[in-house]
Amino acid sequence: AQTVTQSQPEMSVQEAETVTLSCTYDTSESDYYLFWYKQPPSRQMILVIRQEAYKQQNATENRFSVNFQKAAKSFSLKISDSQLGDAAMYFCAHISNFGNEKLTFGTGTRLTIIP
Amino acid sequence: ETGVTQSPTHLIKTRGQQVTLRCSSQSGHNTVSWYQQALGQGPQFIFQYYREEENGRGNFPPRFSGLQFPNYSSELNVNALELDDSALYLCASSPRTSGPYNEQFFGPGTRLTVL
Repeated sequence: AQTVTQSQPEMSVQEAETVTLSCTYDTSESDYYLFWYKQPPSRQMILVIRQEAYKQQNATENRFSVNFQKAAKSFSLKISDSQLGDAAMYFCAHISNFGNEKLTFGTGTRLTIIP
Repeated sequence: ETGVTQSPTHLIKTRGQQVTLRCSSQSGHNTVSWYQQALGQGPQFIFQYYREEENGRGNFPPRFSGLQFPNYSSELNVNALELDDSALYLCASSPRTSGPYNEQFFGPGTRLTVL
């Protein structure tokens, strides 16, 4: 069974600073995808960034980047130049590349931005 | 392009009752997935529908059932409600393409409270 673990229930960062959210996962599959989702207080889940397991290069999307360590099964999210609008719950998630596209989520990290 | 919509926004039921939650998928999407998000937890996969057939199910009892209609909208039905069913229910739609992965787009959710 796939599991996703987020060990930081809450994090805070000063506006304009950089913060890193941690995630580890467990899977027996060699081909899969990993994601970071953002869930603002309005509740609608939004995809932040995606990483394909077979790609060694870390994904980046503007101020968001990941550190994907496949052997260690680690997948952290770095947010640079933090903005007030980044305040949200962040969920790490995994999907296997076959069958139904079932997302397995971690328990989330609540990120607070300090003005 | 209309995104994923869900109704109702909030719902209060009593233990033992039945409830139906509705989801309209994003235009062009033929797959709908349902997730249960308990307070302080990450979403848990309930099941997925593709072309009106169930295409995968998570660890939920049979009293959780669903439907998908020819227009790809979907319903989640829960019978014999229990207090633990209180949660945010998220619907996500995705296109089914020949590629290895199809991004899921989430709706705002339905907050169900069981008293």
